[in-house]
Amino acid sequence: KQEVTQIPAALSVPEGENLVLNCSFTDSAIYNLQWFRQDPGKGLTSLLLIQSSQREQTSGRLNASLDKSSGRSTLYIAASQPGDSATYLCAAQGNQFYFGTGTSLTVIP
Amino acid sequence: EAGVAQSPRYKIIEKRQSVAFWCNPISGHATLYWYQQILGQGPKLLIQFQNNGVVDDSQLPKDRFSAERLKGVDSTLKIQPAKLEDSAVYLCASSFGEQLFFGSGTQLSVL
Repeated sequence: KQEVTQIPAALSVPEGENLVLNCSFTDSAIYNLQWFRQDPGKGLTSLLLIQSSQREQTSGRLNASLDKSSGRSTLYIAASQPGDSATYLCAAQGNQFYFGTGTSLTVIP
Repeated sequence: EAGVAQSPRYKIIEKRQSVAFWCNPISGHATLYWYQQILGQGPKLLIQFQNNGVVDDSQLPKDRFSAERLKGVDSTLKIQPAKLEDSAVYLCASSFGEQLFFGSGTQLSVL
């Protein structure tokens, strides 16, 4: 069974800092890897989707990379802002979506 | 484009009572999912529908949970009887292709 792990569980950074969130998965036979954002009391919003044949995807200040062979993905956030404060979850899609437990990010003004 | 609609937003019940959640997916999305998210954890799949049919319900506690999808559109998830450990956020999602779209969820507290 696919196991998805996210480290760190929580992260606090000053505004303007660049940061990296990590996601690892045990089964490399995935179709894609997605990164989601979850605000308190809300559902999940898809940020980036990386197909299994791709190495990275970019959207604005966000860049996600995928290394299937090592079972790792990273989400890079440039020039962090207080509005980036949220929980970030990754999900590996095999026969279903397997979610990590998330990284809770706080950006301090 | 309207998003995934869920109701109610919050529900408080006592153990052994029953509860039902409703979901209306994005128009045209054939695949519908119900997830359970316990505080501090990632969402766990309960059941996946493709149109009217069940694709995966392997993690649905069938002795107390049931779900149906009417005419391949709306879906309801029911718990009867509820246990304390059912306290969680119940998320509905739909997809067309590989991207998931989530509703805001129903926060259930079982006392």
